[in-house]
Amino acid sequence: AQKVTQAQTEISVVEKEDVTLDCVYETRDTTYYLFWYKQPPSGELVFLIRRNSFDEQNEISGRYSWNFQKSTSSFNFTITASQVVDSAVYFCALGTSYDKVIFGPGTSLSVIP
Amino acid sequence: DSGVTQTPKHLITATGQRVTLRCSPRSGDLSVYWYQQSLDQGLQFLIQYYNGEERAKGNILERFSAQQFPDLHSELNLSSLELGDSALYFCASSRGPGQGTGELFFGEGSRLTVL
Repeated sequence: AQKVTQAQTEISVVEKEDVTLDCVYETRDTTYYLFWYKQPPSGELVFLIRRNSFDEQNEISGRYSWNFQKSTSSFNFTITASQVVDSAVYFCALGTSYDKVIFGPGTSLSVIP
Repeated sequence: DSGVTQTPKHLITATGQRVTLRCSPRSGDLSVYWYQQSLDQGLQFLIQYYNGEERAKGNILERFSAQQFPDLHSELNLSSLELGDSALYFCASSRGPGQGTGELFFGEGSRLTVL
């Protein structure tokens, strides 16, 4: 079965704290893509990152970093020194084939000033 | 701004009615996708069109239909509406036909409320 699990439904942190959003996926495909999308209160989903299954190199983009571990089927997302503008729902997604992408249930992050 | 335009942004209607949601993809994108987001079902893929042809089908009800026109804009038609159809409907677009391999550009969504 192909599945994306985001066990954290809601997270609250105080501004400037670091926060990690967990994502665990299931697939039997050897080639797949992993994504993170952000949905701010305005509603529009915004693409953050894509990773293919052959590239386990971690990535850092400003305050954002992603940790991909095939051994644990995880693709976790860390925000360093969180800001109020980071408050949003974050979705992890799995692209298992050309025509299919599965979204996780999302994690709602609240950053409190 | 993703470049994907959806109208209307908000829509309130009654059970049994029919509505049409419209989407204009990002310039140059040939694929249009429709998603439904509700509290209990999460983000569900409905249907994809690529260059005017249906490409992939997800959990789309028979009461729903869609099409993509020659100018690449797309419409999602929802008929015999039920209370449970109340949701946020997203349109997304991408350059190529592969939903699972590339970045999707989402519109701001159309919030449908069925009373």
